[in-house]
Amino acid sequence: GQNIDQPTEMTATEGAIVQINCTYQTSGFNGLFWYQQHAGEAPTFLSYNVLDGLEEKGRFSSFLSRSKGYSYLLLKELQMKDSASYLCAVRDRASGTYKYIFGTGTRLKVLA
Amino acid sequence: EAQVTQNPRYLITVTGKKLTVTCSQNMNHEYMSWYRQDPGLGLRQIYYSMNVEVTDKGDVPEGYKVSRKEKRNFPLILESPSPNQTSLYFCASSSQRQAGNTIYFGEGSWLTVV
Repeated sequence: GQNIDQPTEMTATEGAIVQINCTYQTSGFNGLFWYQQHAGEAPTFLSYNVLDGLEEKGRFSSFLSRSKGYSYLLLKELQMKDSASYLCAVRDRASGTYKYIFGTGTRLKVLA
Repeated sequence: EAQVTQNPRYLITVTGKKLTVTCSQNMNHEYMSWYRQDPGLGLRQIYYSMNVEVTDKGDVPEGYKVSRKEKRNFPLILESPSPNQTSLYFCASSSQRQAGNTIYFGEGSWLTVV
């Protein structure tokens, strides 16, 4: 079956580094995405991984290991505005169609 | 500006009164989808469409209908809304032609069924 697991909630301090983990199971893996979602707003794209390794984009980095079905999002130099939910999503290709499967999200609280 | 537009943004309706939430995208995307988001359950896919006249059920299609007569539009229809359809709804679109192309979301529609 298809499944995505990520922690429900995390807390970190302003200026610190936080790592949000995501594990997934899917039959037709075709890419992994991370999104940021502030309460009541639409998710916004943060990063994309399809090959193993680290993708860096400013204060945000995302890592993928396809053999382990594992990804993490690394946020550096945390700011108060980073308080949000972070969604891990996998694009699955089965029978010629694509499907985006979302985790339930990790709610990150950044404390002063 | 590339965007996904959905309307209405906020709606309170009564049980059984048919309603349609419209969704339009201006990016010429083949793929469009509807999600509902409920506390603790994350984003759950209702229906999706790979192209014009091609629609498929997602994980929670019961009580919903969709149509894809034009590439840019993908309305969500609730024929007889019930209180358990109270939720935050997102329309989304994506190009399937480019590897790594992300999914773009509309701003969301808050629906309350009383």
